Amino acid sequence: QLQLQESGPGLVKPSETLSLTCTVSGGAVSDSCCFWGWIRQPPGKGLEWIGSINSRGVTYYNPSLKSRVTISVDTSKNQFSLRLSSVTAADTAVYYCARFRGPNDYWGQGTLVTVSS
Amino acid sequence: EIVLTQSPDTLSLSPGERATLSCRASQSLRNNYLAWYQQRPGQTPRLLIYGASSRATGIPDRFSASGSGTDFTLTISRLEPEDFAMYYCQHYSSPLFTFGGGTKVEIK
Repeated sequence: QLQLQESGPGLVKPSETLSLTCTVSGGAVSDSCCFWGWIRQPPGKGLEWIGSINSRGVTYYNPSLKSRVTISVDTSKNQFSLRLSSVTAADTAVYYCARFRGPNDYWGQGTLVTVSS
Repeated sequence: EIVLTQSPDTLSLSPGERATLSCRASQSLRNNYLAWYQQRPGQTPRLLIYGASSRATGIPDRFSASGSGTDFTLTISRLEPEDFAMYYCQHYSSPLFTFGGGTKVEIK
């Protein structure tokens, strides 16, 4: 059974960089079937796609976040990562990692990241 | 960028009733690449429907969906207590995915 688990700081200061890692078990990020990526959900609000990456490092980003987002993949560790720079309070959200096999069929449990000084 | 508009924002119904949710795309979706997700409070979203009308593994047959092009519908034939939740549509017809704003199905 494929499982995804997010890890990283739960508190980030304004103007700093948010960094999260997703560790995949029961499957491989090197699998050519799929993209892997990130989705976030501010408290009490809807879902927002952040971006996706495949095992060859091809990336796609939400245009509204593109200037601040970097997603990378490490096939040796079976992980992929998110970096979001210059964060503000508006970036406070639950961040989910997910597999994109077309739609998102597997999700991590999500991790709350709060942006506050 | 494709914009998805869901309606209504909130649907107030009783257990056993039928729920009909709408998702409209700003442009036609290639291959009808539209998915529906259910999110219960405090839980991770769960894939219900993909390809506009195919149920994901383990999804009960009271959930059905239809549509093509720009207009899509999710129907829950008889609401069970566990079906009261948020529902989101998502397109994956281009590499730049988007979600709709969601419809809340609440107990009347």
